[in-house]
Amino acid sequence: DTEVTQTPKHLVMGMTNKKSLKCEQHMGHRAMYWYKQKAKKPPELMFVYSYEKLSINESVPSRFSPECPNSSLLNLHLHALQPEDSALYLCASSRPERTGQGRGYTFGSGTRLTVV
Amino acid sequence: DAKTTQPNSMESNEEEPVHLPCNHSTISGTDYIHWYRQLPSQGPEYVIHGLTSNVNNRMASLAIAEDRKSSTLILHRATLRDAAVYYCILRDVGSARQLTFGSGTQLTVLP
Repeated sequence: DTEVTQTPKHLVMGMTNKKSLKCEQHMGHRAMYWYKQKAKKPPELMFVYSYEKLSINESVPSRFSPECPNSSLLNLHLHALQPEDSALYLCASSRPERTGQGRGYTFGSGTRLTVV
Repeated sequence: DAKTTQPNSMESNEEEPVHLPCNHSTISGTDYIHWYRQLPSQGPEYVIHGLTSNVNNRMASLAIAEDRKSSTLILHRATLRDAAVYYCILRDVGSARQLTFGSGTQLTVLP
């Protein structure tokens, strides 16, 4: 299994809703990532988990709350979002070792989030 | 992090070779050159990477200049399915720096 699976593929939520994005991989990767991508822009890193521990938070607002329950799963909990948070949210995984070698990251297809 | 510069857009005819350039004049000796591409409505996917020597795989070839200040991704026969944004990214072998995307090149393949 060489895939990263993200659910749901599309999500529409109101500004008072609470929702969660899910990401799963079975490649034995021990680093997992959340990226945010606005239309016609490159992906921007949000969070990094290494061995199930949060290692990087790129100054993301607290209305985004990541969680890594085990080595295969990554969640992004959403609460009180704003319309400007509408974007494609991408999950990725990789080996966490300090190397530039290897195939690097495997990305999921993303969750298209619309906040109304 | 060392920065890369790519053209915003390029066009190619179907079944012809495509050469996508990337400049990285401040590259360090420990930076690997990675290429990813993002097809419409998909996440980015790994294409190829290299350090100093030219590299080939089933998707593409990577030609690295002798001074490593530039590189070129070569698609040998472009197909309509190769239309995507192509990102050239530097990753330091000695650090845990994350994958940081630049603006990339939008490749359009004409039938």
